[in-house]
Formats: sequence, C-alpha cells, structure tokens
Amino acid sequence: GENVEQHPSTLSVQEGDSAVIKCTYSDSASNYFPWYKQELGKRPQLIIDIRSNVGEKKDQRIAVTLNKTAKHFSLHITETQPEDSAVYFCAASQYNFNKFYFGSGTKLNVKP
Amino acid sequence: NAGVMQNPRHLVRRRGQEARLRCSPMKGHSHVYWYRQLPEEGLKFMVYLQKENIIDESGMPKERFSAEFPKEGPSILRIQQVVRGDSAAYFCASSPGSGVSYEQYFGPGTRLTVT
Repeated sequence: GENVEQHPSTLSVQEGDSAVIKCTYSDSASNYFPWYKQELGKRPQLIIDIRSNVGEKKDQRIAVTLNKTAKHFSLHITETQPEDSAVYFCAASQYNFNKFYFGSGTKLNVKP
Repeated sequence: NAGVMQNPRHLVRRRGQEARLRCSPMKGHSHVYWYRQLPEEGLKFMVYLQKENIIDESGMPKERFSAEFPKEGPSILRIQQVVRGDSAAYFCASSPGSGVSYEQYFGPGTRLTVT
C-alpha cells in the first residue's frame, strides 16, 4: 500500500516569513494530493490540493508543488500570520479508490 | 448547506461497553469514509462506504469494529467491547463520489474516551 512521509514534524517561523512542508509518497499510482489544516480540537479542513497532471498550484499565500518523478510534493505558505498556526497534513490518493493516506502532520507555530 | 455532521462529539465508555458513532454526510454526497486519529498522530483510513455497500474496509480491525451506511439515515461506526486502545478521535468524511470530485470534507469528529 501507499506510504506517505511528512517533514518536519514541527516548524516554528517568525510572522511574515515563509514556511515549507514536504511530503514523499511511495505508490506511483497516486494521482491526487490534498493538504489539510487542523486547528486544535477541530476538524481537518482542505486548504489546497493538486492533481498529478499539474506541477504547481497557487491560491493567494498558499502554493503546492508536485514532482511525480521524485514522488514528492510540498506546501509553501508565504507571509505567514499567527492564524496560520495549526497542524498541517498532506495526503495521497488514487482517483478511483478514494481513501486517503495521510502524513503524520507538521505542527506549524507562527510567532508574532 | 450544512457540512458533515457527527454525533456525539464526545463519548465516554467503560471497557467492555459498546460505542456507536454516527455520521451524516453533506447534502448530495453519497460516499462516506471513516478515519481514526490517535493523539499527536495523523489520520488513519478505516473504511469507505456508499449507501448499503462497504467498498473498502482494509483499514478496519478484524474484530469488534463494524460500519454501515443504510439506505436511510446516517452512517454508523460500531465498536464492540471497547478497550483503552480504542480511545481516539474518529472522523467521518464525505465526498460526492468517484469521477465527480475527489475532495473529502470532514466532520467535527467524535472523541472517544475509554475508561
């Protein structure tokens, strides 16, 4: 089955700096990669996703890049704000099988 | 448009009791997924259901755990004879279905505590 690894497990940045979270996956058949943000005690919320036919996707301060050859994808958050502080999870999936394989999470702390 | 609903939000059970967790998908969604999250860990897939069908239960423990999504009513995750190791947050997610959208929307979770 698929194995998703996520790094770093914790990340502390100063407000206004950029944050980068990296994930690798093992199954070359995976073709959908969502990112979720989870605040303490809350539900995971989808913040951005990318499909394997695209190398990069951007939504305001958030961007995701995908390297299919190397089987890794990354989340980039620019101009970080204290409200970006949360745990971020990457996931990998195949269109027709739907179940998500999640990484272990990155706890992002943005210091004001 | 109400999101994914789960109840109860918190559930306390003694060892050996049964736990029933309910999930109502978003309106128009026919696919339901259950995930388990242990403290300080990621989410682990348990089971994927459509109405009246279990599509993939490869993440479900072989014993004590079962899930259903009846024609009418919510999806239910049932844990029999709970043990302390079952203490976790159980999240339900829903999606419109294959070929339409691959996004999964999560409910608020049920936090199960086994004493």
